[in-house]
Amino acid sequence: NAGVMQNPRHLVRRRGQEARLRCSPMKGHSHVYWYRQLPEEGLKFMVYLQKENIIDESGMPKERFSAEFPKEGPSILRIQQVVRGDSAAYFCASSSPGDYEQYFGPGTRLTVT
Amino acid sequence: GEDVEQSLFLSVREGDSSVINCTYTDSSSTYLYWYKQEPGAGLQLLTYIFSNMDMKQDQRLTVLLNKKDKHLSLRIADTQTGDSAIYFCANNYGQNFVFGPGTRLSVLP
Repeated sequence: NAGVMQNPRHLVRRRGQEARLRCSPMKGHSHVYWYRQLPEEGLKFMVYLQKENIIDESGMPKERFSAEFPKEGPSILRIQQVVRGDSAAYFCASSSPGDYEQYFGPGTRLTVT
Repeated sequence: GEDVEQSLFLSVREGDSSVINCTYTDSSSTYLYWYKQEPGAGLQLLTYIFSNMDMKQDQRLTVLLNKKDKHLSLRIADTQTGDSAIYFCANNYGQNFVFGPGTRLSVLP
């Protein structure tokens, strides 16, 4: 039973490019959460999605960031026109309905040069 | 919004007990959690406690919850070098988790 999968594990982008981060939840999980961890800081909630729906995006920056969780396929966190301040580790977690436990993926470390 | 605070660093000697503390502001959480993060890795759930409990023990780990003071602690008995990591406390704020900044535990030989 595979855990939460994220790819790529490391991503390097130049300023102004787009970054796409993918997350495949655990089998049977329909809830996905994205968090950002800046260097030497804790995790900050970004967005909570269920299949085809954004439930809570209160932690998402208003511009350049978007997330989706389609009916088929992984959840995608998309960052357009990246800037150096976007460099961070982005973690995805998943859970099943009514479950109070979230299972985390290994993270994608984004570096913007 | 919810705020979770932790001390940032803790050093202990191998074999001693470690106590990592956490305070939070939202008293409506159903569960409170401790996660461990090793260098370059994701978060691993260590243990959690239901909000109507005072204590939970799981092998070398003891979690204490003081709801009145909104204080959570994690005690690691017989700390080993493999316990060196960052420890995050978290609570569920609605469906979302709010994490503390993490406590970096260093275990000295």
